[in-house]
Amino acid sequence: GQQLNQSPQSMFIQEGEDVSMNCTSSSIFNTWLWYKQDPGEGPVLLIALYKAGELTSNGRLTAQFGITRKDSFLNISASIPSDVGIYFCAGQKGTSGTYKYIFGTGTRLKVLA
Amino acid sequence: GAVVSQHPSRVICKSGTSVKIECRSLDFQATTMFWYRQFPKQSLMLMATSNEGSKATYEQGVEKDKFLINHASLTLSTLTVTSAHPEDSSFYICSARDVAGTGIEQFFGPGTRLTVL
Repeated sequence: GQQLNQSPQSMFIQEGEDVSMNCTSSSIFNTWLWYKQDPGEGPVLLIALYKAGELTSNGRLTAQFGITRKDSFLNISASIPSDVGIYFCAGQKGTSGTYKYIFGTGTRLKVLA
Repeated sequence: GAVVSQHPSRVICKSGTSVKIECRSLDFQATTMFWYRQFPKQSLMLMATSNEGSKATYEQGVEKDKFLINHASLTLSTLTVTSAHPEDSSFYICSARDVAGTGIEQFFGPGTRLTVL
């Protein structure tokens, strides 16, 4: 099935550093979402973006919906050890009643204390 | 609010047997639930969309006769893996969409790890 491309695939960073990751697609999406998944658990929503160009923050997280509607990025500022996990972007497509998500390939984040 | 549960959290079965996984929305009603499969170190892949009171819609390449989906009420969807084989071993995750919400956000369950021996 279709997947969105995320980069980087994985990263090791020092605690306190800022992190940036992005997600690209060859097709347009109406909504972009960013999720975090801890090992053995389901994904948890971090940020949802609904309009092209939108920039939204949630605490230390900031995400933007690309103006072309084909990409999005997520920034994490001043990383802490509990930021460890896998971050997935998801694009929502479809019409009312048939919405579904396409997930990205994931970015695995490891924070060194 | 918006809690989704799955049962069991993990299951081990013998090859050739069938396994049923339940997905429940605990504090909201969901006309639509989704079933995903996630292999180790990979992303979530949508298997099917489960609609209350009607047949599920399967993604391309997913066998509907092997992965039986029943969405009998607004709070429960079940996925039955029939005649399971070792290659069906995976992490199965469901999500649910709140009928009262915007229709966009999906709330995810904690997942069920299936191991087929």
